[in-house]
Order: sequence, then C-alpha cells, then structure tokens
Amino acid sequence: GQSLEQPSEVTAVEGAIVQINCTYQTSGFYGLSWYQQHDGGAPTFLSYNALDGLEETGRFSSFLSRSDSYGYLLLQELQMKDSASYFCAVRPYSSASKIIFGSGTRLSIRP
Amino acid sequence: EAQVTQNPRYLITVTGKKLTVTCSQNMNHEYMSWYRQDPGLGLRQIYYSMNVEVTDKGDVPEGYKVSRKEKRNFPLILESPSPNQTSLYFCASSLGGSGNQPQHFGDGTRLSIL
Repeated sequence: GQSLEQPSEVTAVEGAIVQINCTYQTSGFYGLSWYQQHDGGAPTFLSYNALDGLEETGRFSSFLSRSDSYGYLLLQELQMKDSASYFCAVRPYSSASKIIFGSGTRLSIRP
Repeated sequence: EAQVTQNPRYLITVTGKKLTVTCSQNMNHEYMSWYRQDPGLGLRQIYYSMNVEVTDKGDVPEGYKVSRKEKRNFPLILESPSPNQTSLYFCASSLGGSGNQPQHFGDGTRLSIL
C-alpha cells in the first residue's frame, strides 16, 4: 500500500526552529509537496521537492531523501501565526493523477 | 480574483436525500479534485478529473459521483447520503496533473448527514 506518516502533534517556542517529518511507504512518486492549513481554513500550498535535497522559501524549507523514504518541512524563526496543521502529499507513479496526503501534523507555538 | 468556489459552505440534511455540492474555478485549470477531511485521517481523495469528461476514482469514492461537463465546474453528488459521509469536503484545482502543480483549494463544505 501507499501511506505517508507524520507526527500528529508538535509543540515549539516562538522564535525557535521546528522540523516536521514525513516518512512514506510507496513504490515511487513524482515529488513531495507540503501544505499548511489554519483552523477553519483551506489548505494552502507551501513547497514542492521534485529531487532530493533542500528547497528554501523564506522561513520555510523542505527536504527530500528518496533513498531514506523521508522528507521534512523546516520552519525557522517561528511566529505565532505559524500555528496550523501541516500536510505532506505525493503523486504516486502507480497512478500519477491521484494525490495522497499524510494525516497531518498540528503545530502549536508557545510564546 | 483567482479562486475555487464551493457551495454550500454548510449543510445539514437527512439520510437518503440526494444532494449536490458545487465547485467552480476561474483559473482555467485542467485538474480538479474532491477531498474529504476527517479528524486524524488528513485529506482523502474522493474523485479527480484530468479534464472535461475525464474522471477517475481516488481512495474513497464509494457513495459519491462526480461529473465534468465543463472545464470550470466539478460537482460532487451524493445520491443517497448516509451518516458516515458527515465530513468536511474540499474541492481543489491545479493547472495540470503533474506533481509540481500546486493545488488551489476552496473554502470547504461542512456536511452533516442525520
């Protein structure tokens, strides 16, 4: 089967750095995406890794290692507004138009 | 303004009464999709469409139907709703079906089936 595993909850302090992991069991996929969802809101796209390595977009970075079946989202200089749920997602080779999301990680920021 | 519009935003109805949730996008996107979101389960894909008259099942299609007669619209139909379809539903669109195309989500529809 195909599944994406994420920690259900992470807590961090304002101004700190936090890493949200995504491990997967799938035969292969086109790339790893990350989405952010605030309470009561819709998911919004954050980043995409087609290749192994680090992609940086401002305070957010995303990393992919296909050999380790692992990716992560790194949030730096945390702000209270970063409190949200974060989802990783892939399009598997077996069905390139289908999208599979992880169960999501709820990030809580403490002052 | 580029957007995905879902209607209704909230609906409470009873078992067996057919309902349709509409979804429309104004970005000329080819790919459209429906998801349901339940606590602890993340977003699960119900159906998707690569283009007009091209639809396919996602991971949880049972009890749902879709159609794509026009590029901009992708309605979700529950022919005979049941309580286990009580959920938060999202419609999304993207330029194409490749992995680097970000999904644009509507604001969601909260359905309660009694």
